[in-house]
Amino acid sequence: DTAVSQTPKYLVTQMGNDKSIKCEQNLGHDTMYWYKQDSKKFLKIMFSYNNKELIINETVPNRFSPKSPDKAHLNLHINSLELGDSAVYFCASSQLVAGGGTDTQYFGPGTRLTVL
Amino acid sequence: LAKTTQPISMDSYEGQEVNITCSHNNIATNDYITWYQQFPSQGPRFIIQGYKTKVTNEVASLFIPADRKSSTLSLPRVSLSDTAVYYCLVVNTGTASKLTFGTGTRLQVTL
Repeated sequence: DTAVSQTPKYLVTQMGNDKSIKCEQNLGHDTMYWYKQDSKKFLKIMFSYNNKELIINETVPNRFSPKSPDKAHLNLHINSLELGDSAVYFCASSQLVAGGGTDTQYFGPGTRLTVL
Repeated sequence: LAKTTQPISMDSYEGQEVNITCSHNNIATNDYITWYQQFPSQGPRFIIQGYKTKVTNEVASLFIPADRKSSTLSLPRVSLSDTAVYYCLVVNTGTASKLTFGTGTRLQVTL
């Protein structure tokens, strides 16, 4: 069983288009994330939702809009795609650990977005 | 956020022990040291986490000195399948961990 799944795995599109990437987790976690990994392999957090509420919102263009219909899903919609949006986008989920420590994040397989 | 510094790359032969050291000089009291592994075309995978001294699991060991300004990930008897990028992260406790990934260490294991 796939813990964190993303669709599509590959996405090739033209500049200016609007596209969505879907993420689902079946781990029962309360928190979900979106990360972007660029061509230089830097992995940066974009958003985080906890129980459908936005809790982390990094400096990301407002063309990127996350949507969480329920705590098992966090979709990423991107408007007016630009060349610089080409990257691999990873979804992740976690559950807060009570009593100290930090939550382990489980990542999806990634969606490789190519903007032409 | 505590910044981490680790070697960009390392090479090893199969069967050897590999130690990857990470420095985090401005680590805070509530920070934990966490290591993730990433294979090509996959998302990062949690390996190990510790606060101080030594932590061991079925995959690796993590050594943290008393001052906590550095840590060492130890992979015993690596195999070709351990070829990956290893990220050292300093993560604060809280409701949601905002993972800040650095450049990581690219480990290449050969025969």
